[in-house]
Amino acid sequence: AQSVAQPEDQVNVAEGNPLTVKCTYSVSGNPYLFWYVQYPNRGLQFLLKYITGDNLVKGSYGFEAEFNKSQTSFHLKKPSALVSDSALYFCAVIHASGGSYIPTFGRGTSLIVHP
Amino acid sequence: NAGVTQTPKFRVLKTGQSMTLLCAQDMNHEYMYWYRQDPGMGLRLIHYSVGEGTTAKGEVPDGYNVSRLKKQNFLLGLESAAPSQTSVYFCASSFSGTFFNEQFFGPGTRLTVL
Repeated sequence: AQSVAQPEDQVNVAEGNPLTVKCTYSVSGNPYLFWYVQYPNRGLQFLLKYITGDNLVKGSYGFEAEFNKSQTSFHLKKPSALVSDSALYFCAVIHASGGSYIPTFGRGTSLIVHP
Repeated sequence: NAGVTQTPKFRVLKTGQSMTLLCAQDMNHEYMYWYRQDPGMGLRLIHYSVGEGTTAKGEVPDGYNVSRLKKQNFLLGLESAAPSQTSVYFCASSFSGTFFNEQFFGPGTRLTVL
């Protein structure tokens, strides 16, 4: 069975400091990994993805994520947090099922950036 | 280009009533999905469709039915609503089911069942 874990319900960081939102996964075969962001009362927006190749993936709004196969992790990072980054962040993994590709989402991590 | 739209935005039902949520996308995407989002549970897949005329069950399909009669539309039906179906429902679409399928989400429908 495929699964995604986001071990922190909430992450607090001061503006200007680096941030990390953690994600670990369990999937048979090669993982296709995604990060999405959700602002209040909005749908999810795509941030970045890892399919293959370079383990460091760069995405929207200055975010990046590092794929670590040995630790089965795909942590989201940003060098300098902004108050406007405060939102709910979801990690997701795509897995194959009978020829279709089904997404599984983590429970989400609330990022709060303090001024 | 409206992206993914959902109708209605809000709805209140009484237990036992039925309703249909409409999702429409104008990006010519093959795959469409219905999720529910509950506090502390993240997004859970209800049903999905890999093309016009096809549907499949997701993680939490019980109490819901879907139809994909046209490529651009994906309908989610509740035949007999229950309070446990109080949730925020999101529709999403993606170009295909291969590796490049980031999903595009609608704004959500907030459903309350009394």
